[in-house]
Amino acid sequence: AIQMTQSPSSLSASVGDRVTITCRASQAIRNDLGWYQQKPGKAPKLLIYAASSLQSGVPSRFRGSGSGTDFTLTISSLQPEDFATYYCLQDYNYPRTFGQGTKVEIK
Amino acid sequence: VQLVESGGGLVQPGGSLRLSCAASGFTFSSYWMSWVRQAPGKGLEWVANIKEDGSEKSYVDSVKGRFTISRENAKNSLYLQMNSLRAEDTAVYFCARDLNPRFGEIWYDAFDTWGQGTMVTVSS
Repeated sequence: AIQMTQSPSSLSASVGDRVTITCRASQAIRNDLGWYQQKPGKAPKLLIYAASSLQSGVPSRFRGSGSGTDFTLTISSLQPEDFATYYCLQDYNYPRTFGQGTKVEIK
Repeated sequence: VQLVESGGGLVQPGGSLRLSCAASGFTFSSYWMSWVRQAPGKGLEWVANIKEDGSEKSYVDSVKGRFTISRENAKNSLYLQMNSLRAEDTAVYFCARDLNPRFGEIWYDAFDTWGQGTMVTVSS
């Protein structure tokens, strides 16, 4: 199975900060990657698919980039509602695999 | 557009449970569907998916031979039959719709709609 490694595992940031989360695949996965946001006790929410396509209704401060093995989720200006855990998910092959998650906390 | 899971509960190791996911507000038969789980305090784990017509199914290795995903399009329902349950299967189980967007010849996963989750606890 393809291993997805996110970094950092957690970070502290302030409202208005620019935040970058990275996801590295154990082998090349083209751009077959999505990003999901999850708040405590809630279901995940789709942010990005195909590495850089913004899901409808998701604010434009979220940006995905990358291809091959290295991917990035950038939040250009962190808002109070963005404090959550973020997961990448590869859909290049089976089994689909998630990264371990990155928790974004308030500084 | 809504997904509602049911069927979770407490079961002994080695036991069985059948989860259901009721879909509404969209044409269920037009979408791939997946099950994703999350153990308490842990990250997300993709479990299985099924094609629109049920003709293709895939599973994570840890559940192969024990879990079966299925669907009844006439009832707008997705199922997960879980047998030989283990303590490590304890988790919240989510069903999710896959938008399956296509760019050229490549189809992607995009789980745009999720249920609220149902808790499965495997313990004696």
